[in-house]
Amino acid sequence: EVVLTQSPGTLSLSPGERATLSCRASQSVSSTYLAWYQQKPGQAPRLLISDASSRATGISDRFSGSGSGTDFTLTISRVEPEDFAVYYCQQYGRSPSPFGGGTKVEIK
Amino acid sequence: EVQLLESGGGLVQPGGSLRLSCEVSGFTFSNYAMSWVRQAPGKGLEWVSGIIGSGGNTFYADSLKGRFTISRDNSQNTLFLQMDSLRVEDTALYYCVQGTPTYGPFDHWGRGTLVTVSS
Repeated sequence: EVVLTQSPGTLSLSPGERATLSCRASQSVSSTYLAWYQQKPGQAPRLLISDASSRATGISDRFSGSGSGTDFTLTISRVEPEDFAVYYCQQYGRSPSPFGGGTKVEIK
Repeated sequence: EVQLLESGGGLVQPGGSLRLSCEVSGFTFSNYAMSWVRQAPGKGLEWVSGIIGSGGNTFYADSLKGRFTISRDNSQNTLFLQMDSLRVEDTALYYCVQGTPTYGPFDHWGRGTLVTVSS
């Protein structure tokens, strides 16, 4: 079973800074099946990125995804106040569909 | 507009059972894979189970060890999760999630139903 490890656990940034979030898989993952989600307190998660690099409908172009094999990255080009949240990666190629442990992006 | 409305959560004693339901609207239910994802208080997301549109294939997290059963009634646009032999560590908010015709990613999420396992 694939295990996804996200780093860092917490990222402290000021608005306008660039955020780089990492997701490392314990074995190679097809980039077709790698997603990123955003979750704000008290809300359900929201799909940001699928297929490692395709933005979901309505997602700002501040968000971009990249990577292949075992190393994937979510980048927020300039963090806005509404971007402070927890971000999860997920492998969704059928079963199982594990999530990473999450990276919290907090205001510095 | 896609809507997913979970119900059936509540307080149950260890060893007990619960059946969660998720009524959906706004899309052709039978065409989409569905999943359950849970989140323990203050913790991260954990995928629980998935089912393809026809209901013919089901998938489970290894950690559940056969205690949970996912099913769907396409005539009633409803997804179910039967949870047996519940443990304290099953306490979580359970989300109903819409996938895609081929399985994932998880495009739409319900608001969740809270399951509390405690004596």
